[in-house]
Amino acid sequence: QVQLVQSGAEVKKPGASVRLSCKASGYTFTSHYMHWVRQAPGQGLEWVGIMNPHGGSPTFSQKFQGRVTMTGDTSTSTLYLELRSLTFEDTAVYYCGRGLWTVVAGSIYYHYALDVWGQGTTVTVSS
Amino acid sequence: QSALTQPASVSGSPGQSITISCSGTSSDVGGYNSVSWYQQHPGKAPKLIIYDVSNRPSGVSNRFSGSKSGNTASLTISGLQADDEVHYYCSSYTSTNTVVFGGGTKLTVL
Repeated sequence: QVQLVQSGAEVKKPGASVRLSCKASGYTFTSHYMHWVRQAPGQGLEWVGIMNPHGGSPTFSQKFQGRVTMTGDTSTSTLYLELRSLTFEDTAVYYCGRGLWTVVAGSIYYHYALDVWGQGTTVTVSS
Repeated sequence: QSALTQPASVSGSPGQSITISCSGTSSDVGGYNSVSWYQQHPGKAPKLIIYDVSNRPSGVSNRFSGSKSGNTASLTISGLQADDEVHYYCSSYTSTNTVVFGGGTKLTVL
C-alpha cells in the first residue's frame, strides 16, 4: 500500500541542524510532488515547502528561506528536509506529504493538496 | 503570507449540519480554486477530505462538502457524528507559489 515512513524523533540544541527523512513506498516516487508541513505543540499546521522529486528547485515558505534544504533520492525513494540554525520555535512535529494529482480527460492535473501523509517526526529543540 | 482565518471552534448537535469558514485574500483563497480541507485526530497526521474547493477524494464521506464565495471558503459537515469531533484545517495555494494553512477549528459535537 502507499505509505510514507518518516525517521525517528530528534533532540537538538539551539543553533544546530537537523535532517529528517521520509521514505515513500507503494507508488512511483518521482510521479508526485512532495511537501513538508510542521505543527508546533498545541498549534496549527504550517507549510514548509514543496519539491518535485523528478527535478527542479524546491519552493519554500518565506519564513524558512535561507535555512532549509529539501532534497530527494530517487534511488531510495526518500525525501529529505534539512533545517539549520534551530531555535526553540522550531520544536514541532514535522510531516511529509504527497501531492495529489488527478487525471481528467486524459490530462494530469497537479493539486496543491496532500493526499498521503507520513506519521510525523518530533523535533525538540532544547538546551 | 498570513495564515488563513478560521473560527477557533464551532459546535453542533448529532445529526445537525455545521459550517466552518476559511477567510483569505484575493492572493490565495479568492484567486484560485485550490482550497483544501483536512481533518486531524489528536496525535495523528491530517487526512485530506476536500480538495480544489469542493472535490472529495475517494473514500471520503459525502457528509463533507466544500464551497467558496469570494475570499472565503467553507466546509460543511452534515449529519454530525460523535467521531467528527476533531480539528479541521483549510489550506490554499497562493500567488507566490506557496501554500498557506488556516489556524484550525475545533469541532464540538454537543
